Amino acid sequence: AQTVTQSQPEMSVQEAETVTLSCTYDTSESNYYLFWYKQPPSRQMILVIRQEAYKQQNATENRFSVNFQKAAKSFSLKISDSQLGDTAMYFCAFMRIQGAQKLVFGQGTRLTINP
Amino acid sequence: EAGVAQSPRYKIIEKRQSVAFWCNPISGHATLYWYQQILGQGPKLLIQFQNNGVVDDSQLPKDRFSAERLKGVDSTLKIQPAKLEDSAVYLCASSLALDGHNEQFFGPGTRLTVL
Repeated sequence: AQTVTQSQPEMSVQEAETVTLSCTYDTSESNYYLFWYKQPPSRQMILVIRQEAYKQQNATENRFSVNFQKAAKSFSLKISDSQLGDTAMYFCAFMRIQGAQKLVFGQGTRLTINP
Repeated sequence: EAGVAQSPRYKIIEKRQSVAFWCNPISGHATLYWYQQILGQGPKLLIQFQNNGVVDDSQLPKDRFSAERLKGVDSTLKIQPAKLEDSAVYLCASSLALDGHNEQFFGPGTRLTVL
């Protein structure tokens, strides 16, 4: 079974700083998807960024980028020029491509952006 | 475009009582998911529907939980009887189709407290 581990329960940075959230996963699959989701306080979970394992190029979405290290099974999220609205729980998630295609989430990292 | 709708938003019941949650996915989305998110943890998939058929219910405690999506549109999740450990947020999500290319859109969730 796949597992996803986020080793940082909480992080806190000042506005405009850059922050990196860590995620490692365990799988025997060779092809899969990886995701970062954001869950703001009392608000809905939304997709931040997605990476397909067969693509070597790291995904980027505006201020959000990932560092995908397939051999190390590592998938970190970098947030540049952090904003107060980035304050949220961040979840790393894994999905197989073959077979049961369900999201497996990590425990989450609570990120606080301070003014 | 309307998002995923869930009701009720909050529910408080006593243990051994029954409770039902409702979800209306985004129009046209064939795949519907129910997740359980216990406080301090990432969401865990309970059941996954493709139209009105069950794709994966391997983590659904079938002795007390049931779910249906009779017409392939909206869905209900029921717990009978509830236990203290069922206290959690129940998230519904939907996607156009069953693969990682299609983003899962989440509803606001139902927060269940079992006393």
